[in-house]
Amino acid sequence: NAGVTQTPKFRILKIGQSMTLQCAQDMNHNYMYWYRQDPGMGLKLIYYSVGAGITDKGEVPNGYNVSRSTTEDFPLRLELAAPSQTSVYFCASSFRGGGYTFGSGTRLTVV
Amino acid sequence: GESVGLHLPTLSVQEGDNSIINCAYSNSASDYFIWYKQESGKGPQFIIDIRSNMDKRQGQRVTVLLNKTVKHLSLQIAATQPGDSAVYFCAENIDQAGTALIFGKGTTLSVSS
Repeated sequence: NAGVTQTPKFRILKIGQSMTLQCAQDMNHNYMYWYRQDPGMGLKLIYYSVGAGITDKGEVPNGYNVSRSTTEDFPLRLELAAPSQTSVYFCASSFRGGGYTFGSGTRLTVV
Repeated sequence: GESVGLHLPTLSVQEGDNSIINCAYSNSASDYFIWYKQESGKGPQFIIDIRSNMDKRQGQRVTVLLNKTVKHLSLQIAATQPGDSAVYFCAENIDQAGTALIFGKGTTLSVSS
């Protein structure tokens, strides 16, 4: 099992550009999450999903969108990148909200 | 604002000492708590969890204590090793259904030989 796979690992975006951060898990977990981590800070919940076709906002959803068309994939979309979105993004999955498995992160810089 | 926080941003210990990392939470309805370890450049790793119907849980070299009266959570690491150097986060349920976790800011543990 690969666990939780995030791509890309690094990305530099210009202000106003858009991109999709990919996340896939092969553990048949029904719950998936996106967090962002700013330097020296804890993780902030952006969006989460308790199953295919179901998504909910977390603490900091503004500027992001998600979709969950399959159990395995949970992409995060940035439509108009802003410098405030410079952060490290972590995707995670769990079985019914138990202990999470995290991906290795995507480091995004918006310039 | 955050409902989960840690008392100290940094903790420095000598190899072989016991480490205690503390966390305070404000949501008295929270019923599930987890400790995570994050090494530099990596995603958080699950260490140990505890439900609100327990006040202590032990793992390998780690113990989590939960005091619901004062809404306090602690992680004890026995015989701390250099490999334990990392940032430690506590996290609690966002809701009673346990659908997502809210994380605190983290404590950086530095272990010197």
